[in-house]
Amino acid sequence: GESVGLHLPTLSVQEGDNSIINCAYSNSASDYFIWYKQESGKGPQFIIDIRSNMDKRQGQRVTVLLNKTVKHLSLQIAATQPGDSAVYFCAENRYNQGGKLIFGQGTELSVKP
Amino acid sequence: EPEVTQTPSHQVTQMGQEVILRCVPISNHLYFYWYRQILGQKVEFLVSFYNNEISEKSEIFDDQFSVERPDGSNFTLKIRSTKLEDSAMYFCASIRAEGTGELFFGEGSRLTVL
Repeated sequence: GESVGLHLPTLSVQEGDNSIINCAYSNSASDYFIWYKQESGKGPQFIIDIRSNMDKRQGQRVTVLLNKTVKHLSLQIAATQPGDSAVYFCAENRYNQGGKLIFGQGTELSVKP
Repeated sequence: EPEVTQTPSHQVTQMGQEVILRCVPISNHLYFYWYRQILGQKVEFLVSFYNNEISEKSEIFDDQFSVERPDGSNFTLKIRSTKLEDSAMYFCASIRAEGTGELFFGEGSRLTVL
């Protein structure tokens, strides 16, 4: 079945600390994942993606790690800032099914000043 | 920066009424989507649309729902006879090419069914 889930619904960190948001998936054939950020009252915003031929990908202050053995991926945010406060979703891209995204439940990140 | 625009931002309707939500995708994008998010829950796929036809739809997208691209710019979602459980945020999204990842979402249209 379709299942992409996050481990924790909420995460609170101190400004300047690193944040790690986790996600698990159930389908071993899944091979393309994307992290989205959703601020209050807005649509999801693309952060970073990773395909299964990689186990790590870095962006600006963000890193995504993919562990295919345990079907787990994580989003790491370095030096978390108040502007990072949002809900973060991992999503599986089913590009062979019209490109639809299967979203996880979301983790709400709160950054304390 | 190009963006996906949606109207209305909020619509309140009576149960049983028809609703049309409108979207203007980014101009050179070819694939269009509607997603739904019930308050406090995850974003759920409704339908994908390419080359003037539906390419994929979810079980949520039943006969009460339809999509249309009436001209070269608009992409609409119609709910024929709204139910209370249709109350949600509806997001339109578009992408230039399938499988490239960066799906651009609009700000959403909040639908409240009374």
